[in-house]
Amino acid sequence: QVQLVQSGAEVKKPGSSVRVSCKASGSSVTNYVISWLRQAPGQGLEWMGGIIPMFGTTNYAQTSQGRVTITADESTSTVHMTLSSLRSDDTAVYFCARGFGEVPGAMFFYAYPMDVWGQGTTVIVSS
Amino acid sequence: EIVLTQSPGTLSLSPGERATLTCRASQSVSSDYLGWYQQKIGQAPRLLIYGASNRATGISERFSGSGSATDFTLTISRVEPEDVAVYYCQKYGSSPITFGQGTRLEIK
Repeated sequence: QVQLVQSGAEVKKPGSSVRVSCKASGSSVTNYVISWLRQAPGQGLEWMGGIIPMFGTTNYAQTSQGRVTITADESTSTVHMTLSSLRSDDTAVYFCARGFGEVPGAMFFYAYPMDVWGQGTTVIVSS
Repeated sequence: EIVLTQSPGTLSLSPGERATLTCRASQSVSSDYLGWYQQKIGQAPRLLIYGASNRATGISERFSGSGSATDFTLTISRVEPEDVAVYYCQKYGSSPITFGQGTRLEIK
């Protein structure tokens, strides 16, 4: 049974960067879309972007462009999300999630809902 | 960007009652790309419904989805105490992926 296990909580200063990791066990991430989402305290879900490791394809939400970088290490079935120039309003729980089906091509990036989720990583940005 | 608006904001029902949650899109959404998630306190979301009406693996038959174009519905036929959660609709299929603001289900 596939599981996504995320790295631990982080406390960061404004202006710094944070890297959150998401490791798959029980399955490879290679031919799935792995998305990153976040949830600010008491708020809803925001999609940030994602990657298909097999094709090296990344897509980002416009609100994330320029500050978010998503990479994958297929050898360890791990996907990383780096958020730079942190601000206080980046304080949130960050989730990785796997797309529902194996992706036959990069054009199917958005075709699947998210059926396996990591446990979430709390990132606090505070001076 | 397609905006999803969910109603009601909070739904308070007694066990055994029927819950009807709605999701209205600002533009037409293909039924192939409308999903529903359940999020309990302190947990990650869980996929309930995909393609507007298909139950995800392991999801109780009490949960059903319907709708098309701009109006979609999640129905819980008989609510149980374990259904206390926030429910989100999601539009995928194209960028950006967006979510509604959620409906909170409470059990009296």
